[in-house]
Amino acid sequence: SQKIEQNSEALNIQEGKTATLTCNYTNYSPAYLQWYRQDPGRGPVFLLLIRENEKEKRKERLKVTFDTTLKQSLFHITASQPADSATYLCARGVFSGGYNKLIFGAGTRLAVHP
Amino acid sequence: GAVVSQHPSRVICKSGTSVKIECRSLDFQATTMFWYRQFPKQSLMLMATSNEGSKATYEQGVEKDKFLINHASLTLSTLTVTSAHPEDSSFYICSARRRTGNNQPQHFGDGTRLSIL
Repeated sequence: SQKIEQNSEALNIQEGKTATLTCNYTNYSPAYLQWYRQDPGRGPVFLLLIRENEKEKRKERLKVTFDTTLKQSLFHITASQPADSATYLCARGVFSGGYNKLIFGAGTRLAVHP
Repeated sequence: GAVVSQHPSRVICKSGTSVKIECRSLDFQATTMFWYRQFPKQSLMLMATSNEGSKATYEQGVEKDKFLINHASLTLSTLTVTSAHPEDSSFYICSARRRTGNNQPQHFGDGTRLSIL
């Protein structure tokens, strides 16, 4: 089966440091991976999409990598701020039942301390 | 601003009640909408794919008669939890994807917290 695994333990870092979150997938490489941010009691918000043939994608302080050899994506937040504290979800695209769908990981909770 | 609106945000009701949740895409047409359920500290679990003008596609293990989905227009999908019981208490979230491009991101509503007493 196609799974997404994220470190379920919370990541605590100091403000200003770089946060690195890990997403591992099983089975074959997906055509793309997506990263979302979810705040408590809210729906996820899309952050970045990276395709299988892209090694790296950047958006402001965010950077995502896609390593098909390791079957892994890394999500980096540079110069982290307390406002970055949230749960970050990784999702892989799958084609099933005639539709393109997303399978989500459980998410990693990030806490940035002043 | 929000591109997907979900209503209500919170429902508390007695066991046996049916509850309807609405999901609207505000500034784009969505032929496909998705319904998820999320338990505390767990992943979003896809329940069904809602398709405008046709029957919804349910994931394995999701009861079709329990969770009725109606995608009446390109901007509205509804999920009705019929005869809800305490075990149906959860956070239900919908999402919509713009018509063009299957790898496009999903836009999520802010979820509905359902509590069945």
